[in-house]
Amino acid sequence: GAVVSQHPSRVICKSGTSVKIECRSLDFQATTMFWYRQFPKKSLMLMATSNEGSKATYEQGVEKDKFLINHASLTLSTLTVTSAHPEDSSFYICSATRDAHVEDNEQFFGPGTRLTVL
Amino acid sequence: GQNIDQPTEMTATEGAIVQINCTYQTSGFNGLFWYQQHAGEAPTFLSYNVLDGLEEKGRFSSFLSRSKGYSYLLLKELQMKDSASYLCAANSGYSTLTFGKGTMLLVSP
Repeated sequence: GAVVSQHPSRVICKSGTSVKIECRSLDFQATTMFWYRQFPKKSLMLMATSNEGSKATYEQGVEKDKFLINHASLTLSTLTVTSAHPEDSSFYICSATRDAHVEDNEQFFGPGTRLTVL
Repeated sequence: GQNIDQPTEMTATEGAIVQINCTYQTSGFNGLFWYQQHAGEAPTFLSYNVLDGLEEKGRFSSFLSRSKGYSYLLLKELQMKDSASYLCAANSGYSTLTFGKGTMLLVSP
């Protein structure tokens, strides 16, 4: 299989604090991981593409200093929302691709993290 | 630029057939994905089309026409549990997916 986990599944924090979300590929090595944000009744919006051992590539309009991404190993990428504000409240989803299947480029999604900033 | 269009909402009755259309315009194209997403959950993979034609997988089938920039997802023998959002996503290369806004399907008894 190709299982991706995220932790935590839900987090509630005060405005101004930082929140770290972990994304792990449990049974495969993921050279590339993706971070998405989804607001209620909206589609997934790609925030950044994370490659192991290199800097993440951010999509236009996403502040890299606010959304820190670290892809330290082939099975772990973290997203840190720094100085979170209520407008950052959203559903954050990560996904990963398996190198052995680059020809189909399927992304395997984590279960998502619901962030609520008070 | 990247543009994916699909209807916002559709309704159908249990046991019926429904077709969800998707048109895309992308600067590169490696294939077209369909995902199912229930509220508050992550998307789950349904199908992937690279070549033109129809791919059938149980109650779900997906069609692609690369020349027309068009795809559809066909759901047969609808069940209540099929009520969900269906996301069309174009692979524009290097594993990058561009998602449509999703089609919310409501299946009624």
